[in-house]
Amino acid sequence: DIQMTQSPSTLSASVGDRVTITCRASQSVNSWLAWYQQKPGKAPKLLIYKASSLESGVPSRFSGSGSGTEFTLTISSLQPDDFATYYCQHYNSYPPWTFGQGTKVEIK
Amino acid sequence: EVQLVESGGGLVQPGGSLRLSCAASGFTFSSYAMYWVRQAPGKGLEYVSGINIDGGSTYYADSVKGRFTISRDNSENMLYLHMGSLRAEDMAVYYCARDGVSNGWSSFDYWGQGTLVTVSS
Repeated sequence: DIQMTQSPSTLSASVGDRVTITCRASQSVNSWLAWYQQKPGKAPKLLIYKASSLESGVPSRFSGSGSGTEFTLTISSLQPDDFATYYCQHYNSYPPWTFGQGTKVEIK
Repeated sequence: EVQLVESGGGLVQPGGSLRLSCAASGFTFSSYAMYWVRQAPGKGLEYVSGINIDGGSTYYADSVKGRFTISRDNSENMLYLHMGSLRAEDMAVYYCARDGVSNGWSSFDYWGQGTLVTVSS
């Protein structure tokens, strides 16, 4: 199975900051990578699919980049609603489509 | 409006069985692959199982292979997860999720609210 590793595990930031989260795959997943946001007690929400495509309704301050084994999620100007946990997930080739361990974005 | 509503969670003893259900509405259920994803208390997301549009192909995480069975009833717009030989480590919130594209494999664009499975004696 392909392993997904996110860094950092926790990130402290302030409103207005530019935030970058990294996700690395143990082997190439091409561009078949998604990013999700999850708030406590809620289901995950799809933000980005195919590495860089913004899901409908998601604010444009979210962006994704990368291909192969290294990917980033960037929030250009952190907003109060963005404090949450973020997960990457690959969906390359054959299941299981594993998730990263998550990155919690906290208020500094 | 797409809706996914899970049910069937609850308290079960180690070694017991449980069947989770996911009622789908607001889209052509038979055109989308479906999934189960779980989250243990305080932990991250774990892919559990997936099923293609007609139920002919199913996939499982190694942690549940041989104990869990995913199925679907396209006539009733229902997704199921039959869980057997339950262990303490299966305790989690179980989410059903929809594939992001029809007749294909993609990211998960809609999720239910989750149902809690507690495994304890």
